[in-house]
Amino acid sequence: AQTIHQWPVAEIKAVGSPLSLGCTIKGKSSPNLYWYWQATGGTLQQLFYSITVGQVESVVQLNLSASRPKDDQFILSTEKLLLSHSGFYLCAWSLRTTNTEVFFGKGTRLTVV
Amino acid sequence: QQKVQQSPESLIVPEGGMASLNCTSSDRNVDYFWWYRQHSGKSPKMLMSIFSNGEKEEGRFTVHLNKASLHTSLHIRDSQPSDSALYLCAAMNTGGLSGKLTFGEGTQVTVIS
Repeated sequence: AQTIHQWPVAEIKAVGSPLSLGCTIKGKSSPNLYWYWQATGGTLQQLFYSITVGQVESVVQLNLSASRPKDDQFILSTEKLLLSHSGFYLCAWSLRTTNTEVFFGKGTRLTVV
Repeated sequence: QQKVQQSPESLIVPEGGMASLNCTSSDRNVDYFWWYRQHSGKSPKMLMSIFSNGEKEEGRFTVHLNKASLHTSLHIRDSQPSDSALYLCAAMNTGGLSGKLTFGEGTQVTVIS
């Protein structure tokens, strides 16, 4: 069975500090990977997607970056956090075929103070 | 840019009642609709998907799709307190990269005893 593990579960960080969030997908070879962001009470906004190792496409510019160093790992980071970065970050995966279900991880709750 | 509009923003339903949620896409290339349910503080879970005109039923949940008007609706009958959640509609373009979903703002459903 496929599992998706996100870390950390929650973070409280200061404005201007760096951030690194990660997720790992086990049990599925070469999945498509995604990062989504959700403001409190808001909709899901896709930030990045990746269809293969080393290749990441940006969907929305939020002063964040993403990398896929391994087939099963996706990292979201920034060198300087803004207050507007607060929210719920969700890593997700899907099969590489078109129009299939997207499965979400449990998410990371980020509070920037 | 594609927009997905959901209505109503919020809905209060008595236990045992029917909840009806609506979703429309502005993109004529959309072919696939997904309904996700997100309980407070949790990640979204796929509830139902629909690709063809007509109706699909799974237990207490029924989803309709009218491809000509790009409108989908979700109906929950015999609503239970556990159905209280944010319901997100997502649309995907024809032949689009799997997982490149555009989400609506969601409908917050509250089931009261």
